[in-house]
Amino acid sequence: GAGVSQSPSNKVTEKGKDVELRCDPISGHTALYWYRQSLGQGLEFLIYFQGNSAPDKSGLPSDRFSAERTGGSVSTLTIQRTQQEDSAVYLCASSPVLVSAKNIQYFGAGTRLSVL
Amino acid sequence: DAKTTQPPSMDCAEGRAANLPCNHSTISGNEYVYWYRQIHSQGPQYIIHGLKNNETNEMASLIITEDRKSSTLILPHATLRDTAVYYCIVTETSYDKVIFGPGTSLSVIP
Repeated sequence: GAGVSQSPSNKVTEKGKDVELRCDPISGHTALYWYRQSLGQGLEFLIYFQGNSAPDKSGLPSDRFSAERTGGSVSTLTIQRTQQEDSAVYLCASSPVLVSAKNIQYFGAGTRLSVL
Repeated sequence: DAKTTQPPSMDCAEGRAANLPCNHSTISGNEYVYWYRQIHSQGPQYIIHGLKNNETNEMASLIITEDRKSSTLILPHATLRDTAVYYCIVTETSYDKVIFGPGTSLSVIP
């Protein structure tokens, strides 16, 4: 695809349910990032992948949050037992090379998660 | 915590130059300055980046002070479509955790 694709674009769920958010990065991009943006707030870094590995998971807010990436491409962010404070826009970005002067991140449009 | 400080909001008249400042007094020698912007309800968009020299592309110009402790993003002829939140970020090329601060909300006024 031409850009980073995220699905679903909107997700409404009930408190306590699990949700899975998907990110399709730009083909060939080795680095992939997840961010969370609450209403009216800046971006909160969650996790990044270099290939299939995630060197730093310290940004994940709690152990209810997990992420994986398979085949160096698609990534899923899973939130278990969702809480109302998880409501936010979840943004994914990919970058062609992590160690480079051009570590430019290309963002998707995000998934708006609403926990009722 | 973000390594940069920016004014929370600015206004600019349409057609005039918008100058957005950013302070990064603790920047280290191998850290670059990146600028992104986020138009309402969209994902952030890369604008420009630099190390120590001034840079220009089709979107904007980046002026970095000689001591590298601050920089200014210049939109030479602001349009209504430039209304957005502008983020200034400092990061090493190999730095894993990228921290976005609250940014500057730029309003371009007709």
